[in-house]
Amino acid sequence: ILNVEQSPQSLHVQEGDSTNFTCSFPSSNFYALHWYRWETAKSPEALFVMTLNGDEKKKGRISATLNTKEGYSYLYIKGSQPEDSATYLCAPTRTSYGKLTFGQGTILTVHP
Amino acid sequence: KAGVTQTPRYLIKTRGQQVTLSCSPISGHRSVSWYQQTPGQGLQFLFEYFSETQRNKGNFPGRFSGRQFSNSRSEMNVSTLELGDSALYLCASSSGTVSSYEQYFGPGTRLTVT
Repeated sequence: ILNVEQSPQSLHVQEGDSTNFTCSFPSSNFYALHWYRWETAKSPEALFVMTLNGDEKKKGRISATLNTKEGYSYLYIKGSQPEDSATYLCAPTRTSYGKLTFGQGTILTVHP
Repeated sequence: KAGVTQTPRYLIKTRGQQVTLSCSPISGHRSVSWYQQTPGQGLQFLFEYFSETQRNKGNFPGRFSGRQFSNSRSEMNVSTLELGDSALYLCASSSGTVSSYEQYFGPGTRLTVT
């Protein structure tokens, strides 16, 4: 069983604030890490798939970094907007055909 | 391009009954994965099908089963329903291996077992 931890569990920020949260996973047998955003009443939406140590990916105001040696990934949101309010989920996988094991997620609320 | 569709969207069943949920992936996608989401356990992997073959399986009892058809549409079945099976069931399709490619999720089927 793959132990995936996300912190913090929840986060409240003001519009315009920048924020970041963490996904920790076992560094052994790492293959890839996925980040998803899940807004209330919608389906989870893929943000990034990262495979290489030191990977950095960016999509608009959201970016992510990956450290496979120590087993963590950071997700950053610059200048948070109310529409960024969602649960952010990470999911590592150990093999090229492996299943995704989702963390419990970080619930982000951005207040106008 | 049409997204992932799931039917039905809502379902109410009685304990002991069985249920079948359906998922149609994005056209051209051959991988379909199923997940169960409950407040206490989060999003948990059930199984993945690729080209009609189950490629991965999560830690769920044998009451949970699935299959995939030649057109990549997938069904999952839960037999002898228990109250704890009440959950949101999501399916996701991918163009390649689940590990390397983004998954596109459907809207889910909300199952309530009474």
